[in-house]
Amino acid sequence: NAGVMQNPRHLVRRRGQEARLRCSPMKGHSHVYWYRQLPEEGLKFMVYLQKENIIDESGMPKERFSAEFPKEGPSILRIQQVVRGDSAAYFCASSQDRSYEQYFGPGTRLTVT
Amino acid sequence: AQSVTQLGSHVSVSEGALVLLRCNYSSSVPPYLFWYVQYPNQGLQLLLKYTSAATLVKGINGFEAEFKKSETSFHLTKPSAHMSDAAEYFCAVSDTGGGNKLTFGTGTQLKVEL
Repeated sequence: NAGVMQNPRHLVRRRGQEARLRCSPMKGHSHVYWYRQLPEEGLKFMVYLQKENIIDESGMPKERFSAEFPKEGPSILRIQQVVRGDSAAYFCASSQDRSYEQYFGPGTRLTVT
Repeated sequence: AQSVTQLGSHVSVSEGALVLLRCNYSSSVPPYLFWYVQYPNQGLQLLLKYTSAATLVKGINGFEAEFKKSETSFHLTKPSAHMSDAAEYFCAVSDTGGGNKLTFGTGTQLKVEL
């Protein structure tokens, strides 16, 4: 059973460009979470999604960030007009159900130049 | 609101010595608590979890943690450190058994010396 997959693993964008981060949950998991890890900091929750629904987006910045988890395909975290402060590691986690533990992917390291 | 405090951003131990990583939590409801390990440039791996059953929880790689409600603590221990334990360790709290968002501490970098 493959684990949580994220791609790309590394992404370099210039200021003002768009970044798209993809997350494929573990087989049988329908709950996806996105976290951001800034340098020298712990992980911060961003958003929690189920298929086609955003359940909790209390950690998402108000502007430029959006997330989706369509009926088919991976979950996407989209960052528009990136700025240097968006440089971070973005981790996706999935769970089988709301009450089960979360399994993390290897992360996407975004660098904004 | 829930929060986690990890005392000591860096801990150094000798190989074979006791490992003790501290975690204190704050929660308005009975918490579910977790320890994760992160190796360089990798994702997080679950070490162990507390979900209101036994207060002494055993995890992978010889680690264990004890939930102490009176001290609001969930410290991680391992009797004998190995070089392969060098990594960053995160304590996290959730209020719905892991199915909801996790609130993480700032992490403790463990260094193991010969």
